Amino acid sequence: QTVVTQEPSISVSPGGTVTLTCGLNFGSVSTNNYPSWYRQTPGQTPRTLIFSTNTRSSGVPDRFFGSIPGKKAALTITGAQADDESDYYCILYMDNAWVFGGGTKLTVL
Amino acid sequence: EVQLVESGGGLMQPGGSLRLSCAASGFSFSNQWMHWVRQAPGGGLVWVSRINPAGTTADYADSVKGRFTISRDNAKSTLYLQMNSLSVEDTAVYYCLKFLYGDASWGQGTLVTVSS
Repeated sequence: QTVVTQEPSISVSPGGTVTLTCGLNFGSVSTNNYPSWYRQTPGQTPRTLIFSTNTRSSGVPDRFFGSIPGKKAALTITGAQADDESDYYCILYMDNAWVFGGGTKLTVL
Repeated sequence: EVQLVESGGGLMQPGGSLRLSCAASGFSFSNQWMHWVRQAPGGGLVWVSRINPAGTTADYADSVKGRFTISRDNAKSTLYLQMNSLSVEDTAVYYCLKFLYGDASWGQGTLVTVSS
């Protein structure tokens, strides 16, 4: 069974840079998996940040950057702000299905 | 502006059936892949199903395969999710998405609660 892996929690200092990753229990992530990233604050609807590896959704600042630096997809946030504190989910496409990761809770402190 | 409005959620007993609807506007519905995603209380996002623009091809997560059926009415710009043999594990907010290669527009969701 395909499992998409994410760090359960990460913390970053205000103004700092942080990288969240999205991997597979078997194999490497590639552009063919169209890795995409979403942000959700408690009680709110998710919002698309990055799709198809590195395309920012409309209105998303360039502090958010998507890439595949190795075997995993990555979301890098620079100049972290207090309101970046959210749950971040990635999704991957494989075998005619899409699979979300378990999400990463980002704390800014 | 893309608008997706889900409806049809509610309280159901285990083993029951429910049909969710999603009214779409603000874009060319008949040209778009549409998806359902769910989120259990306190849980993460889970992809459920997708359907192609013509309504002729559908895919499902293993957890709902054989129990859920996605469909669409392009004349009404409406997406559906027929859910049968519901179990407590299906309790979740169900989101309708306009979705292409990860670029997603989200509805507000409709809550389905399965409990005896």
